[in-house]
Amino acid sequence: DTAVSQTPKYLVTQMGNDKSIKCEQNLGHDTMYWYKQDSKKFLKIMFSYNNKELIINETVPNRFSPKSPDKAHLNLHINSLELGDSAVYFCASSQAGGTGELFFGEGSRLTVL
Amino acid sequence: DAKTTQPPSMDCAEGRAANLPCNHSTISGNEYVYWYRQIHSQGPQYIIHGLKNNETNEMASLIITEDRKSSTLILPHATLRDTAVYYCIVRVHNTDKLIFGTGTRLQVFP
Repeated sequence: DTAVSQTPKYLVTQMGNDKSIKCEQNLGHDTMYWYKQDSKKFLKIMFSYNNKELIINETVPNRFSPKSPDKAHLNLHINSLELGDSAVYFCASSQAGGTGELFFGEGSRLTVL
Repeated sequence: DAKTTQPPSMDCAEGRAANLPCNHSTISGNEYVYWYRQIHSQGPQYIIHGLKNNETNEMASLIITEDRKSSTLILPHATLRDTAVYYCIVRVHNTDKLIFGTGTRLQVFP
């Protein structure tokens, strides 16, 4: 069983399109995150949700809209895609009050043409 | 910004111990030291964390200096599968931000 699963794993699309990446965790955690890893391999936090509430938004353009229908899911919707959005997006989860360990998904590689 | 500095790359022979250093001279009293690694094309993987005492688990050992300004991650018997980028991160326990720096690219060779 995959603890943190993301879909799709690969996504190729044109500039200006709208796309979504889905994330689900079966660990019973109450905190979920989105990280972005660009072509230079820098990993940066984008968002964090705790029990469906947004708690971190790291100056991400408002074209990016995370949605958490329940605490096991955190989806990332991106409007009007730009070339600079090309990256690998990682979802992660952790348990508040736990060891602080984050469990990451395998990543979703987004390519904007 | 990351509060740690690490060498950009290191090599290690298979079967030998890999010692990965990390400087965190501005660490606060309530900040823990975390280590993660990222094997090519995979999500980051938690390795170990500690506050001030040395820690050991099935993957690695973490040695933190007495002044807590630096630490060393030790992989006691490196294998080819340990080839990865290793990230040292300081973080207040139970807060949500995990800020990754540039890490150390460890290459284990036969």
